[in-house]
Amino acid sequence: GGIITQTPKFLIGQEGQKLTLKCQQNFNHDTMYWYRQDSGKGLRLIYYSITENDLQKGDLSEGYDASREKKSSFSLTVTSAQKNEMAVFLCASNTGYQDTQYFGPGTRLLVL
Amino acid sequence: AQSVDQPDAHVTLSEGASLELRCSYSYSAAPYLFWYVQYPGQSLQFLLKYITGDTVVKGTKGFEAEFRKSNSSFNLKKSPAHWSDSAKYFCALGNQGGSAKLIFGEGTKLTVSS
Repeated sequence: GGIITQTPKFLIGQEGQKLTLKCQQNFNHDTMYWYRQDSGKGLRLIYYSITENDLQKGDLSEGYDASREKKSSFSLTVTSAQKNEMAVFLCASNTGYQDTQYFGPGTRLLVL
Repeated sequence: AQSVDQPDAHVTLSEGASLELRCSYSYSAAPYLFWYVQYPGQSLQFLLKYITGDTVVKGTKGFEAEFRKSNSSFNLKKSPAHWSDSAKYFCALGNQGGSAKLIFGEGTKLTVSS
């Protein structure tokens, strides 16, 4: 078994601020993902990475940057926080194509 | 374009009844499909998946789903339902083209009353 940890659990920022969310997994998975979940809605893919130093854009990548410097970690940066970005950001990982994705507990973002 | 539709935003039923949550997909080639569950205040948990082979797949927590190519559906079923099944359920679609990406439906919130 393994676990995905996301830090921080809650992130409060000011409009226009640059904010970074972190994700760590100890599954030894190759692929990692960042999703955004708006209240009451489904998940939308922001970025994913199939290996260290790889980055692939999802459908919602505008306004975000990502970084995969180690196999076990994947960071997401909100480049300029906007009030309509209040959401939960979920990190996930798996071995890749067709494998089950395992999800972290999420980071809840609040922009004042 | 690929898409997933979960047409029922809310489903309410009584404990002991049979539950069936609907999922339809749009994809021109062979899909692979997942169901996940999200309990209040928690993250997503894997229930089951269809890749190929048997069209009825069994998962965790007593759930099963049937893949029907004829009407592009992958409905989730359980009988009987228990109050602890109250949660939000998400269907997700992947393609057979080698991409690791999934497309998620908007989810169905299930309430099982005791």
